[in-house]
Amino acid sequence: KAGVTQTPRYLIKTRGQQVTLSCSPISGHRSVSWYQQTPGQGLQFLFEYFSETQRNKGNFPGRFSGRQFSNSRSEMNVSTLELGDSALYLCASSFDGTGRHEQYFGPGTRLTVT
Amino acid sequence: KNEVEQSPQNLTAQEGEFITINCSYSVGISALHWLQQHPGGGIVSLFMLSSGKKKHGRLIATINIQEKHSSLHITASHPRDSAVYICAVSSDNNNDMRFGAGTRLTVKP
Repeated sequence: KAGVTQTPRYLIKTRGQQVTLSCSPISGHRSVSWYQQTPGQGLQFLFEYFSETQRNKGNFPGRFSGRQFSNSRSEMNVSTLELGDSALYLCASSFDGTGRHEQYFGPGTRLTVT
Repeated sequence: KNEVEQSPQNLTAQEGEFITINCSYSVGISALHWLQQHPGGGIVSLFMLSSGKKKHGRLIATINIQEKHSSLHITASHPRDSAVYICAVSSDNNNDMRFGAGTRLTVKP
């Protein structure tokens, strides 16, 4: 089985722009979670999607949004980028999105905002 | 206080040494995860456990639910074990994982 893939792997954007990141889960996995990792805050949960519905959301401003398609692929969008949005963005997929199943992480997208 | 606390933050060992990383948590959980992150960012799930002990090769993870504590042990450490090890917890209903700050392990030859 192919692993979780994320595109692009690296991205440089300017303050005020918007960005869309993509995540393709492992085949058969219906849950996709997104995480932000920064040196100062560590890993933080952004949101989780299951069957095209956002089920859970972390403590991030409304500029961070996402969606999931019928094939379970997910995108996250950040609008009006700020310097503090520079981070590694990781997605993870799991079978049914409960805490009973392991999450498999993608390689991440490293976003730099200048 | 963070919901998930790890210690130590940094650890340097000589090749062959036995290593222990500790994790304490303060919330109710359905599972505890040990993750490994190498430079470059990719995260690999090492263990997911809800009770007792699990072993994969030279790695052993234990959890004590009553004490809300888990340990990750590496026997006969090797330079390729150098990475950041992250403890995370998840609840039964969702994938809102809460993470520790990580332990940066360096194993010197």
